[in-house]
Amino acid sequence: SAVISQKPSRDICQRGTSLTIQCQVDSQVTMMFWYRQQPGQSLTLIATANQGSEATYESGFVIDKFPISRPNLTFSTLTVSNMSPEDSSIYLCSVEDLGAFFGQGTRLTVV
Amino acid sequence: AQSVSQHNHHVILSEAASLELGCNYSYGGTVNLFWYVQYPGQHLQLLLKYFSGDPLVKGIKGFEAEFIKSKFSFNLRKPSVQWSDTAEYFCAVSRSGGYQKVTFGTGTKLQVIP
Repeated sequence: SAVISQKPSRDICQRGTSLTIQCQVDSQVTMMFWYRQQPGQSLTLIATANQGSEATYESGFVIDKFPISRPNLTFSTLTVSNMSPEDSSIYLCSVEDLGAFFGQGTRLTVV
Repeated sequence: AQSVSQHNHHVILSEAASLELGCNYSYGGTVNLFWYVQYPGQHLQLLLKYFSGDPLVKGIKGFEAEFIKSKFSFNLRKPSVQWSDTAEYFCAVSRSGGYQKVTFGTGTKLQVIP
């Protein structure tokens, strides 16, 4: 299975600012997925990122709030823009390889 | 769109007790099914998966799950739990075929008492 590294592992941010989360995979993958896990809740898919095309967002998530880049087959970034305390969550990068595999996640706290 | 429901939100068991966590999914087509585990402070790990073939699948750490197509169910079982099984367990489903998104259930917190 793929090895996924995310940076930063955690951050505390001021409301109104933006944070970019990086995801690096040790092998080339066609699709990468970004999830959010809010406190005490399950995982919710934010968007699917294909290399060379616009990300596909799930209902309730928009590009202006969560812009995603996918410059090559091993890397992606998710930006959480204009943050509010409601964005406090764990953000996870995932790849699908006969099952979804996850990095350690980024624990974001917005104050 | 597919969805997953997990019936138990919080389960408390004594060590050596048997475990069964319920999972039902809704989707009319062919699916892949998964159970993930999240130990305290750690990231999600794949416990076991079903793609096709024998509906009884065995995973790591003595866990198994049975796919019953007629009931749209994929329950997780373990004959004898240990304190180290304390974790949150997520059932998940995806459509068959490559690169399909995975939909997760709400999770079941398992607490095993020594």
